[in-house]
Amino acid sequence: QQPVQSPQAVILREGEDAVINCSSSKALYSVHWYRQKHGEAPVFLMILLKGGEQKGHEKISASFNEKKQQSSLYLTASQLSYSGTYFCGTEIYGGSQGNLIFGKGTKLSVKP
Amino acid sequence: IAGITQAPTSQILAAGRRMTLRCTQDMRHNAMYWYRQDLGLGLRLIHYSNTAGTTGKGEVPDGYSVSRANTDDFPLTLASAVPSQTSVYFCASSNNRNTDTQYFGPGTRLTVL
Repeated sequence: QQPVQSPQAVILREGEDAVINCSSSKALYSVHWYRQKHGEAPVFLMILLKGGEQKGHEKISASFNEKKQQSSLYLTASQLSYSGTYFCGTEIYGGSQGNLIFGKGTKLSVKP
Repeated sequence: IAGITQAPTSQILAAGRRMTLRCTQDMRHNAMYWYRQDLGLGLRLIHYSNTAGTTGKGEVPDGYSVSRANTDDFPLTLASAVPSQTSVYFCASSNNRNTDTQYFGPGTRLTVL
């Protein structure tokens, strides 16, 4: 049931773009995205609640394709502060409402 | 406003000992959660609570117990710690259980020897 995140890791130069994908084998009710810096707690980025929904947070946006059971996180013109590990948390139809199943994470490193 | 606090920050524990990890939130959130985070495995839900007085099992509940006597506190107890419980433990809360933002505490790093 654990969603699969890809890539596992990515290295960028400042100003470059990246896409992180989150795919599930189960039908999804919602997808949550979090960023965690080393030694810190995960920090909420955004929730996507329905198919086709897209959201943005600064230069970070996400989409949710309900039919494909996947979500993508888009990081545009990356900044040094974007470095960290990104996790998707999925809420599955038929699962315990509100419980999130997290992917293993994608480690993003932004270099000057 | 502190948000969510966890104690202790870190702990080294001998196998077989009993340990309680504390979690307190001041946001009056109804739902609370305990996760463990292990390298390469992401965050896994241990137990959750919809509201004071109720608790439920997550993905990896074995060896752990929780209680929710009031809205603010959600302690996690390891009755007899084992080395496989070495992990970083995060407490989180959300306003309600219906697809809501979860806010995480700073974590407790536990080592069981």
